[in-house]
Amino acid sequence: TQLLEQSPQFLSIQEGENLTVYCNSSSVFSSLQWYRQEPGEGPVLLVTVVTGGEVKKLKRLTFQFGDARKDSSLHITAAQPGDTGLYLCAGTFSSGSARQLTFGSGTQLTVLP
Amino acid sequence: NAGVTQTPKFQVLKTGQSMTLQCAQDMNHNSMYWYRQDPGMGLRLIYYSASEGTTDKGEVPNGYNVSRLNKREFSLRLESAAPSQTSVYFCASSEVSSGYNEQFFGPGTRLTVL
Repeated sequence: TQLLEQSPQFLSIQEGENLTVYCNSSSVFSSLQWYRQEPGEGPVLLVTVVTGGEVKKLKRLTFQFGDARKDSSLHITAAQPGDTGLYLCAGTFSSGSARQLTFGSGTQLTVLP
Repeated sequence: NAGVTQTPKFQVLKTGQSMTLQCAQDMNHNSMYWYRQDPGMGLRLIYYSASEGTTDKGEVPNGYNVSRLNKREFSLRLESAAPSQTSVYFCASSEVSSGYNEQFFGPGTRLTVL
């Protein structure tokens, strides 16, 4: 079983602070995605990265894919209460099926006003 | 477009009862999935259907059965519910291409088995 580890598991910060969450695996990803899930709802796709070293930006969110395609990070600048939620990374592995996404256990982010 | 819809939203069962969770998507996706989400464990794949007429086991299939009724609909059945199946169940759909598998999720079914 290929595992995805996310850290930290919980993060509570004040509005306006910056933060980074991490997603790591010992296996190489074919592609990696970040989702955000709000209470009582299903996950919503934020971004997909596929190329080692790739950086994508979505407003105040910056996503980076490691050069070796084994890790990724999500950086939020000037966090706002609306960023509160569960952030999940999910990947397809080079050695596995593109039809099966493996999810990390998530980072629960709380942004306090 | 409604995206992915699931019914029911909430359900309470007694041990040994059966039920079917319904899922439908209107995005013309070929692939559909059933996950369960438990605290601290992310989402775990129960079953998936790569295309109409096919189904395959995921990571945690025991105690569940699925039916891909047509391209739009994918149901999950618990034949004899157990307390260990208390969870939040999500259905998702995607169009897998070039190694991408960007999934769209329904709102979930919160199931409690007493």
